[in-house]
Amino acid sequence: EAQVTQNPRYLITVTGKKLTVTCSQNMNHEYMSWYRQDPGLGLRQIYYSMNVEVTDKGDVPEGYKVSRKEKRNFPLILESPSPNQTSLYFCASSLLAGALNEQFFGPGTRLTVL
Amino acid sequence: AQTVTQSQPEMSVQEAETVTLSCTYDTSESDYYLFWYKQPPSRQMILVIRQEAYKQQNATENRFSVNFQKAAKSFSLKISDSQLGDAAMYFCAYRSVEGDDKIIFGKGTRLHILP
Repeated sequence: EAQVTQNPRYLITVTGKKLTVTCSQNMNHEYMSWYRQDPGLGLRQIYYSMNVEVTDKGDVPEGYKVSRKEKRNFPLILESPSPNQTSLYFCASSLLAGALNEQFFGPGTRLTVL
Repeated sequence: AQTVTQSQPEMSVQEAETVTLSCTYDTSESDYYLFWYKQPPSRQMILVIRQEAYKQQNATENRFSVNFQKAAKSFSLKISDSQLGDAAMYFCAYRSVEGDDKIIFGKGTRLHILP
């Protein structure tokens, strides 16, 4: 089944404790992206990647890191999480960059930073 | 920088009626893509409809259609014969073709369907 998977789905952590949210897609998509969703703010793009070893900042990259060592994986790293990073996070992928291709979204990761 | 504005945080419509969700955007680019996504209570993001900016013809997908006005930078979504399953948060999104490949979402419109 074609899908984007994220793990964990729920995470409660404390300020400053490094964490990684994994994202994997099995559709051989070139483009992958991370978003955070906050009430009243919609989805905001954190980072995106147009292909392996190519990553770019979205609108809200501060406090996050990403890597794209393989085509299928695009982990989101929070080196020192803070309470303002409490949010719902989505990973998404699409076949190509800059195209009409549909983005396929993962199920979301609910992160709470205490 | 591009922006996407959804001016209606919430809307309600009677079942079987028609409703229009508004979306406006700002860009200096001539070519781009526009999307409407639906997010039901399950939180899953689902593509509803998409439009290429250089195509004059408005996109249609079954009960969903758009009114794309490029000069006005407007991209509204019309849902005909509203059904209970249409209740969700709807997001308008802009995808750049020229330059970087950022994707910009609006803040969303929560649609309630009244039985």
